[in-house]
Amino acid sequence: DADVTQTPRNRITKTGKRIMLECSQTKGHDRMYWYRQDPGLGLRLIYYSFDVKDINKGEISDGYSVSRQAQAKFSLSLESAIPNQTALYFCATSELTGDGYTFGSGTRLTVV
Amino acid sequence: RKEVEQDPGPFNVPEGATVAFNCTYSNSASQSFFWYRQDCRKEPKLLMSVYSSGNEDGRFTAQLNRASQYISLLIRDSKLSDSATYLCVVNVRNYGQNFVFGPGTRLSVLP
Repeated sequence: DADVTQTPRNRITKTGKRIMLECSQTKGHDRMYWYRQDPGLGLRLIYYSFDVKDINKGEISDGYSVSRQAQAKFSLSLESAIPNQTALYFCATSELTGDGYTFGSGTRLTVV
Repeated sequence: RKEVEQDPGPFNVPEGATVAFNCTYSNSASQSFFWYRQDCRKEPKLLMSVYSSGNEDGRFTAQLNRASQYISLLIRDSKLSDSATYLCVVNVRNYGQNFVFGPGTRLSVLP
């Protein structure tokens, strides 16, 4: 089993729909992150959490929300999806020292 | 100026060639540096950390120049399997975002 598991792997949704992307990890890491990747723009941070009670906005948090349900689970929600949220989304974890990331396999989201 | 900048490439090199990538960062408080490799449509994976004294892992050599605020990655004897995008990553411990990713440099090794 993968250390960091994202579901779903692919999703097509309509504009205005609410959608949740889920992430779970078996690394035992406290820190979890959500990124989106767009061609030519690299990875951009949406939200991050350093422990269960800690939630922080990243570079591009507008239109997104997150929930840290447990140390191992960190979900990302799009309250009302719009086409420019079409992207590849990655969840990642890191150790307390912040040295190095482990990424999930990604969720390819298309909003039509 | 962007926090982490890389030459986007693509770098097209023949098998066996030596290729070098540079990455510059703007925050002098940056503490840790990494190179990640990302294959097309896959997740990034840690290639190597970059230490102050420079470090080598097989055909890969990473170096850090704090005075000029850049890191480099050298790949010797390129293989077809080295074709990927290489991401420079900078960790700033006193900065809320923690990790900043460069946009990546694409490498294609040609037969």
